Amino acid sequence: SAVISQKPSRDICQRGTSLTIQCQVDSQVTMMFWYRQQPGQSLTLIATANQGSEATYESGFVIDKFPISRPNLTFSTLTVSNMSPEDSSIYLCSVGGGVYNEQFFGPGTRLTVL
Amino acid sequence: GIQVEQSPPDLILQEGANSTLRCNFSDSVNNLQWFHQNPWGQLINLFYIPSGTKQNGRLSATTVATERYSLLYISSSQTTDSGVYFCAVHSGTYKYIFGTGTRLKVLA
Repeated sequence: SAVISQKPSRDICQRGTSLTIQCQVDSQVTMMFWYRQQPGQSLTLIATANQGSEATYESGFVIDKFPISRPNLTFSTLTVSNMSPEDSSIYLCSVGGGVYNEQFFGPGTRLTVL
Repeated sequence: GIQVEQSPPDLILQEGANSTLRCNFSDSVNNLQWFHQNPWGQLINLFYIPSGTKQNGRLSATTVATERYSLLYISSSQTTDSGVYFCAVHSGTYKYIFGTGTRLKVLA
């Protein structure tokens, strides 16, 4: 199984600011995934981060709002830009598919926007 | 795209009771997983079960892929079982689709 860490674990931010979330995996993986979980809701995929290429965004998510970096095979960042209270959510990174048939999740970042 | 529905949406049990959670999906799938999200938000892998039956302690799961459903059984429930249970399916693309979730509360 993969061991995944995320930083920060939680944050409280002011509207209009940006927050960068880091995700570190203990082994090299081809694809990393970023999810959002709004309060009381299920998980929604934001984008897939591939090393060496642009991230692939799901419908309803755009690069200007959620820029993603993937500098190597063990690390990725997600930035939540120009935040509003509607961005208050848990953001989770995961790995799965490819080498790992199972999907494994990081502990999540709980974001509150005031 | 594939739809994943879970039932019941909410469930309250007395400690020691048994329960069955259901996950229905609208198309054929390659992989299926069950997760438990604890009150702190962390997702814990319970089962990777694209087909067949698996057991792990008080928990077991069965997936009948040809009929497009999976069941999660919890026996002798404990307060620590409280949280949200999600199934997620992988349909041959690169991504998993999550179900709507079942929120479980176990009372002491």
